[in-house]
Amino acid sequence: SQTIHQWPATLVQPVGSPLSLECTVEGTSNPNLYWYRQAAGRGLQLLFYSVGIGQISSEVPQNLSASRPQDRQFILSSKKLLLSDSGFYLCAWSWGDTDTQYFGPGTRLTVL
Amino acid sequence: KNQVEQSPQSLIILEGKNCTLQCNYTVSPFSNLRWYKQDTGRGPVSLTIMTFSENTKSNGRYTATLDADTKQSSLHITASQLSDSASYICVANAGNNRKLIWGLGTSLAVNP
Repeated sequence: SQTIHQWPATLVQPVGSPLSLECTVEGTSNPNLYWYRQAAGRGLQLLFYSVGIGQISSEVPQNLSASRPQDRQFILSSKKLLLSDSGFYLCAWSWGDTDTQYFGPGTRLTVL
Repeated sequence: KNQVEQSPQSLIILEGKNCTLQCNYTVSPFSNLRWYKQDTGRGPVSLTIMTFSENTKSNGRYTATLDADTKQSSLHITASQLSDSASYICVANAGNNRKLIWGLGTSLAVNP
């Protein structure tokens, strides 16, 4: 069966500090991978989308970036965090043309 | 503008009672509509998916309906349990996985 992992579960970072969130998927190959942010009182916002290694599509311009160094690894990064980067970050995967997305447990990021 | 609106914003019911959550969508083109359940601090989990040709779909005690003419969907929960306490999110697919329009969710609390 397939599983998706995210870490860390929670993170408190000062403004201006760097960020690295990691997501890995097990039990499948060549998944589509997604990074979402869920801010308080707002719906899920798609940040990045990847169909393969090194292939990243950015949906929202911001100070975040994403990378996919391996088939089942997706990393969300920032060089300098802003207060507005606080939120619940979710990684998800889907396979092929199916649109069912399976979400990880999420990372709660608080920028102070 | 593509959007999904859900009501009520929050709902409190007693264990064993039924409830119905509403979703109105304005999405074009329209591919399908999905209901997700999101437990606090966790990633969303898909409950049902319906295309424009489907009127009703059940998943255990969850029954979703779709009226493509009025662009309305509902999620009915029968004989609620404490574990049903969660946020229920309506998501309309506007063509592909990068064009998912997420509602803000209905926060349901089931009390003993």
